[in-house]
Amino acid sequence: GAVVSQHPSRVICKSGTSVKIECRSLDFQATTMFWYRQFPKKSLMLMATSNEGSKATYEQGVEKDKFLINHASLTLSTLTVTSAHPEDSSFYICSARGLTEQYFGPGTRLTVT
Amino acid sequence: KNQVEQSPQSLIILEGKNCTLQCNYTVSPFSNLRWYKQDTGRGPVSLTIMTFSENTKSNGRYTATLDADTKQSSLHITASQLSDSASYICVVSLIQGAQKLVFGQGTRLTINP
Repeated sequence: GAVVSQHPSRVICKSGTSVKIECRSLDFQATTMFWYRQFPKKSLMLMATSNEGSKATYEQGVEKDKFLINHASLTLSTLTVTSAHPEDSSFYICSARGLTEQYFGPGTRLTVT
Repeated sequence: KNQVEQSPQSLIILEGKNCTLQCNYTVSPFSNLRWYKQDTGRGPVSLTIMTFSENTKSNGRYTATLDADTKQSSLHITASQLSDSASYICVVSLIQGAQKLVFGQGTRLTINP
């Protein structure tokens, strides 16, 4: 089946620094990718929809200047958490839409100290 | 309002036993319904996907049912194994311009030996 990878799987950074998370569709091209955030024991919360070659569409309440999304190619989208704070610590999951289904990545655990 | 409600919130059963998880939705216009398994610290993995016209779909020991009239779905797990311990998420896809996913809050299933 289709595979979506994320890198890194976990990252620890200091407050005020920026962190970039990569999402790749390994065996298919994805014109649309999604970024989710998940808090402990909660379901996934959509942050933004990323379309290749255009600006991302952010959900209400998500700061676009803080969570920078780039979808420069059909197989790669990146999420950059800028000026990270401890409250940004969370599990970030990307998803890529194939022809008929949406496939999820394994997630990235971000811890901001 | 488009919503997906799952029950129970959590469930503990003994290895080898069967169980059924429930999902009720108020999503319109409905496209399809998916069940995902999410292991702790991992991304969701698709178990089944059903369209409006499908009543049941199986994937090994997992069998999903869909009643589009009552807007209910269930996921039945047969002969549970320790590796079935995970969160099970019901996700309904609606057609709203671009396809959008509405997530349930998940059922946390624990299989005890």
